[in-house]
Amino acid sequence: KNEVEQSPQNLTAQEGEFITINCSYSVGISALHWLQQHPGGGIVSLFMLSSGKKKHGRLIATINIQEKHSSLHITASHPRDSAVYICADAVRDDKIIFGKGTRLHILP
Amino acid sequence: DSGVTQTPKHLITATGQRVTLRCSPRSGDLSVYWYQQSLDQGLQFLIQYYNGEERAKGNILERFSAQQFPDLHSELNLSSLELGDSALYFCASTGVTGANVLTFGAGSRLTVL
Repeated sequence: KNEVEQSPQNLTAQEGEFITINCSYSVGISALHWLQQHPGGGIVSLFMLSSGKKKHGRLIATINIQEKHSSLHITASHPRDSAVYICADAVRDDKIIFGKGTRLHILP
Repeated sequence: DSGVTQTPKHLITATGQRVTLRCSPRSGDLSVYWYQQSLDQGLQFLIQYYNGEERAKGNILERFSAQQFPDLHSELNLSSLELGDSALYFCASTGVTGANVLTFGAGSRLTVL
């Protein structure tokens, strides 16, 4: 069992829909990262959080430390949001555990 | 530009050959991680360096080695290349702890023919 589990693995939605991607981790964290990997391969850090909630534009990340669960939400989704979203548990500086990613496809 | 520079961007070589991938971390970052991403696979951790010292090892083959130099840039050496080594190789850097922002380079795409 992967120490970081993401769901769903694949998600196809219509433009404008509200998107939720979930991440559960089993090891304690110093921080949890959400990353976005574009079809071209580049990886961008979206959020780093250790408690509560963060918002950037149409993206919202939340974390529940007690439940060891984080969610990434996308409001008013757009085809340009199509990418692989990766959750990573930064247990400590020499141990970062990656989920396998959620492939999101937004249809126009 | 993320601040992490990887070269080369693309590399095509033959089986049995040796290549070196280079990474310059974001200014001020001491920690460098190397990851391998094969086709449609997740990121696989290879090795981490912190301020010139090897800090952690993941699923890195014995044919692969890495080092971090005094100026903090890092090199990943891949030798006796096999077809299965074809992948995207990413370098990422963070500051003092993993609680700092994880910044990825654009990756080096290696194709072994």
